[in-house]
Amino acid sequence: QSALTQPASVSGSPGQSISISCTGTSSDVGDYNFVSWYQQLPGKAPKLMIYDVSNRPSGVSNRFSGSKSGNTASLTISGLQAEDEADFYCSSYARNSTLLFGGGTKLTVL
Amino acid sequence: QVQLVESGGGVVLPGRSLRLSCAASGFTFSNYAMHWVRQAPGRGLEWVAIVSYDGRHKYYQDSVKGRFTISRDNSKNTLYVQMNSLRAEDTAVYYCARAGSGWTGDYWGQGTLVTVSS
Repeated sequence: QSALTQPASVSGSPGQSISISCTGTSSDVGDYNFVSWYQQLPGKAPKLMIYDVSNRPSGVSNRFSGSKSGNTASLTISGLQAEDEADFYCSSYARNSTLLFGGGTKLTVL
Repeated sequence: QVQLVESGGGVVLPGRSLRLSCAASGFTFSNYAMHWVRQAPGRGLEWVAIVSYDGRHKYYQDSVKGRFTISRDNSKNTLYVQMNSLRAEDTAVYYCARAGSGWTGDYWGQGTLVTVSS
């Protein structure tokens, strides 16, 4: 049960777009359209931002979007804002009925 | 609105046991599977276990199999995890989360801290 692979950090200036990758295998990300993305502010619980690869829950800004190609999923944030600065985690359902998380990516808004 | 409130955390000696609870409100608890997810201090999220809506099916992360037991009481709208043989590496904030499509955690509690230390 290896974790999914995310970059440790990404950064961008206000107004720019950034993407965070989440790489798994053919047993998880590549085999199921059950990738989710979470935003976690310091000291807070995770908040769901994207589910089923590209769906946004009600109330989440349309500046957040998700996609997948092969074994890699991506979260894109457009029109970067200062309040987007947070840790972001991906997750994927995996074979043998487990849930895998990525190691997390710290987003810095310059 | 959906609300999940964890309780039962604290400091416990290695090898001892602890039971965490998660009180749910604002939705029909018996219609949803539920997760436990943990986060060690300064570390990332780690899935622990899931229980089906009716309590019949349970799945665990390898490192807790045989030590942790997830359960639920739909009459009390409460989720539990019984943690036995605790180790230092079980030290973490434990979150309960409602399971949506594809096991996504669509709502999360605020977490409860478990510290395993002598």
